Amino acid sequence: SQKIEQNSEALNIQEGKTATLTCNYTNYSPAYLQWYRQDPGRGPVFLLLIRENEKEKRKERLKVTFDTTLKQSLFHITASQPADSATYLCALLTRTGNQFYFGTGTSLTVIP
Amino acid sequence: GAVVSQHPSRVICKSGTSVKIECRSLDFQATTMFWYRQFPKQSLMLMATSNEGSKATYEQGVEKDKFLINHASLTLSTLTVTSAHPEDSSFYICSAREAALIGTQYFGPGTRLLVL
Repeated sequence: SQKIEQNSEALNIQEGKTATLTCNYTNYSPAYLQWYRQDPGRGPVFLLLIRENEKEKRKERLKVTFDTTLKQSLFHITASQPADSATYLCALLTRTGNQFYFGTGTSLTVIP
Repeated sequence: GAVVSQHPSRVICKSGTSVKIECRSLDFQATTMFWYRQFPKQSLMLMATSNEGSKATYEQGVEKDKFLINHASLTLSTLTVTSAHPEDSSFYICSAREAALIGTQYFGPGTRLLVL
């Protein structure tokens, strides 16, 4: 069966450290993989997109890697801040599909 | 980035009434819009895919007569929850995709529906 799993339901880290979130998928062939941030009661906000032929993408303190052999994407937030506390979702779009499939989300809390 | 709006942001209605939610892409043309439903502490569940000028494609288990979708223009899609019941209470989110950017979608802020 097809699954998209994000490492843990909740992740707590100390301010200033690097947060690493994991997105693993099975039985998908994604052409694109995205990461979103969602705050309570709000819609997801797009952060980064990475294509299947890309290994890494960076944007300010954010870094995404994509390993199609391991079927895994890692999302890093360096120098984390309490304002980074939110739920982070990964989503993938297959080569043949028209829709995005979402992971279960990881709730990140950055402790001051 | 691109902006997607939703209206209303919150609605409370009586059981049996119908509720319409609007989703607009404000600064781009969206050939495809998606409607999601999200329960507390859960991920987004795709309900239907809406293409401008054609009928929506519903996901398995989603009643098309219950959740009416209209995508009348490149900037507007509506979701109407007909004869709403308490179990329809949820957070409804739309997203829109630009025609030229197949790998990207932008989400609206969501609509909280409470059916009494």
